[in-house]
Amino acid sequence: RKEVEQDPGPFNVPEGATVAFNCTYSNSASQSFFWYRQDCRKEPKLLMSVYSSGNEDGRFTAQLNRASQYISLLIRDSKLSDSATYLCVVSRGGGADGLTFGKGTHLIIQP
Amino acid sequence: NAGVTQTPKFRVLKTGQSMTLLCAQDMNHEYMYWYRQDPGMGLRLIHYSVGEGTTAKGEVPDGYNVSRLKKQNFLLGLESAAPSQTSVYFCAINSAGTQYFGPGTRLLVL
Repeated sequence: RKEVEQDPGPFNVPEGATVAFNCTYSNSASQSFFWYRQDCRKEPKLLMSVYSSGNEDGRFTAQLNRASQYISLLIRDSKLSDSATYLCVVSRGGGADGLTFGKGTHLIIQP
Repeated sequence: NAGVTQTPKFRVLKTGQSMTLLCAQDMNHEYMYWYRQDPGMGLRLIHYSVGEGTTAKGEVPDGYNVSRLKKQNFLLGLESAAPSQTSVYFCAINSAGTQYFGPGTRLLVL
């Protein structure tokens, strides 16, 4: 079983729609969770951290379910500029041993 | 890029040649990392460092060496490049538990 699994997509979504991605992780010792965004031929950039209680940042909402070991990202009122690859990322914490990345979900917002 | 720079941006090597990739940061971060990203594989950790003079192996360290002689710089070396090392290489730093990436180095090994 892969450590972090995501549906690679692509998700083709009309502008203004709501879209949701899920990701599952296998290591129950994982402590920190993130969504990163990566544009074509660019570096990954932090979109948001994911907290146990769930958190929201503008049009973006992230949820964590530790019991089922999955993380979700919801994007409301999608914009053309949201087109990117979204990477689900987990860490055992402490910073010393890096992050474990999912392969990413490709999102295409269509006008 | 949280003050993380990578040199060079792009390089073409022949099999067997050597090269060094440089990652530099200007914010005094302790933790630095080297990842590679390949199509369909996601990012994978090559080596990392938790401070000046220290290095450790990540998930895919074979064929690479690293050094952190100065806190600001984390070097990734390929002693004898192979086509399997064709990839995009990203350096990252850790700031308050979150990693921030440099712009990447695209390496093509022929």
